[in-house]
Amino acid sequence: DAGVIQSPRHEVTEMGQEVTLRCKPISGHDYLFWYRQTMMRGLELLIYFNNNVPIDDSGMPEDRFSAKMPNASFSTLKIQPSEPRDSAVYFCATAPSTGSRSGNTIYFGEGSWLTVV
Amino acid sequence: GENVEQHPSTLSVQEGDSAVIKCTYSDSASNYFPWYKQELGKGPQLIIDIRSNVGEKKDQRIAVTLNKTAKHFSLHITETQPEDSAVYFCAATYRDSGGYQKVTFGTGTKLQVIP
Repeated sequence: DAGVIQSPRHEVTEMGQEVTLRCKPISGHDYLFWYRQTMMRGLELLIYFNNNVPIDDSGMPEDRFSAKMPNASFSTLKIQPSEPRDSAVYFCATAPSTGSRSGNTIYFGEGSWLTVV
Repeated sequence: GENVEQHPSTLSVQEGDSAVIKCTYSDSASNYFPWYKQELGKGPQLIIDIRSNVGEKKDQRIAVTLNKTAKHFSLHITETQPEDSAVYFCAATYRDSGGYQKVTFGTGTKLQVIP
């Protein structure tokens, strides 16, 4: 399997512009997570989906952030309008539902490095 | 909710020495504990994990121990090598009443192995 695929890998954009980050999960994984990583706050869970349905979006910082999962093969995280404080690495991660009752391994993509100037 | 504390935040060891990273968690419902290694410019990758029915697990130079009573678990790396230099994250996982997987990550430990 190719793993979790994210695009773009790097993006530099101007403040106020719309940013769309994309994720293709591992085939067969029912969970999809969006994380943000910064030096100050570490790994923060923004939102996660199960079977394409958003389960918990309590980590989404503001209304400027939105995420969708229109099908099992694709998800987007959108920031509109972007601000310099949104600069971070955004990770998409996926996990299967079946398997252990206690929990399953989460697999991360390589991340999208966002810089808002 | 779950709270995971990880120590130390930075760790420098001489090549060949051992490194130990410790984590504590708060929710007794957590019963799956993975460890991730993040190299510069990459996403976190699973290196070892342990479930609550096991006290210790070893994979070559890496071992993890779990004390459910005390709610802490540790990562041990022996005979460290320069390629072990990275940021390491612990995590605690459980399934909530709805059956959804909940994962809480520690704040990370930056390990530097000095040649």
